[in-house]
Amino acid sequence: GAVVSQHPSWVICKSGTSVKIECRSLDFQATTMFWYRQFPKQSLMLMATSNEGSKATYEQGVEKDKFLINHASLTLSTLTVTSAHPEDSSFYICSARDSGRDIQYFGAGTRLSVL
Amino acid sequence: KQEVTQIPAALSVPEGENLVLNCSFTDSAIYNLQWFRQDPGKGLTSLLLIQSSQREQTSGRLNASLDKSSGRSTLYIAASQPGDSATYLCAVRPVWGSARQLTFGSGTQLTVLP
Repeated sequence: GAVVSQHPSWVICKSGTSVKIECRSLDFQATTMFWYRQFPKQSLMLMATSNEGSKATYEQGVEKDKFLINHASLTLSTLTVTSAHPEDSSFYICSARDSGRDIQYFGAGTRLSVL
Repeated sequence: KQEVTQIPAALSVPEGENLVLNCSFTDSAIYNLQWFRQDPGKGLTSLLLIQSSQREQTSGRLNASLDKSSGRSTLYIAASQPGDSATYLCAVRPVWGSARQLTFGSGTQLTVLP
């Protein structure tokens, strides 16, 4: 079946540094990709929707200057957490929609720990 | 705005029992509904997807039903096993909207005791 690869799976960084998370669709083209955030024992909250070749659409309350999203190709979207702080520690999950089959697939997630 | 609710939030059952997880949504204009499984610290595994025109879907010991008019879906797990222990999430996709992104429920944490 279709696979979405998310990397890294776990990252620890110092406060003030930036962290980049990659999301790749391995065997399909994804015009649209989604980035979610999940706090412990809570559900997934959509952060932003990215469309290939255009600016991402951010959900209310999500700082676009802090969470930079780039969707430069049909198989790759990146989320960069800039100047990370401990409160940014969370589980981030990406998702890619198979444009041809209109099905959404999920990555395995990235656990970010900011010290 | 679509709201998805899952009841119960947590459930603990002995091995072998049949169980039902519930999902309700406020806006019946949905394109499809999907049930996912999430193990601790992991991503999502899609279990079943029901299109808006369908009433149910089955996969092995899992059966998901959809009653769009009443805004409800159930996930039935037969003969539960300890390996079924996980958090189960339902999500709905709207008919309308530019991106038509999924809206998730808060999940049901299932523990199957050996």
